[in-house]
Amino acid sequence: SAVISQKPSRDICQRGTSLTIQCQVDSQVTMMFWYRQQPGQSLTLIATANQGSEATYESGFVIDKFPISRPNLTFSTLTVSNMSPEDSSIYLCSVKEVAGELFFGEGSRLTVL
Amino acid sequence: GDSVTQMEGPVTLSEEAFLTINCTYTATGYPSLFWYVQYPGEGLQLLLKATKADDKGSNKGFEATYRKETTSFHLEKGSVQVSDSAVYFCALGDTGRRALTFGSGTRLQVQP
Repeated sequence: SAVISQKPSRDICQRGTSLTIQCQVDSQVTMMFWYRQQPGQSLTLIATANQGSEATYESGFVIDKFPISRPNLTFSTLTVSNMSPEDSSIYLCSVKEVAGELFFGEGSRLTVL
Repeated sequence: GDSVTQMEGPVTLSEEAFLTINCTYTATGYPSLFWYVQYPGEGLQLLLKATKADDKGSNKGFEATYRKETTSFHLEKGSVQVSDSAVYFCALGDTGRRALTFGSGTRLQVQP
């Protein structure tokens, strides 16, 4: 299975600022996704990160708030823009293997004050 | 659309007790089914999976059987340990380009 590294692992941010989360995979993968896990909640899919083109966003998530880049098959970034306390969550990068299962990074825990 | 329903938690058990965490699903077609585990402060790890009806996934003493007739994938373990304390997520998906759909998660607390 792919090894996925995310950074930062955690951060405390001020309201109104933006933070970029990086996701690095140790092998080339076709399918990469970003999820959000709010405190005590399940995982909500933010978007599919498409290599070389704009990400595909789920209902309730927009590019201006969560811009995503995917310049190649091993790397992606998610930016959380103009943060508010409601954005305090764990953000998870994941990749999908051919057999169908997802593998996750350790997550980036953001706290917005 | 696809959906996954899990039993509410927390589930509190004594060590060596029998565990069942219920999971039912709604999906078009024939999805694969998964259980993930999230230990405190960590990311999600794949625990087990089943790709077709009547398949049994197993790992670390945990088992789940893909029941198409009842659209269920209940997680079981015969004797839980304190180290099994975690949040367990049931999920479904396919081998295509879509992400997985997750249930709400069930927190398990095992007491010595």
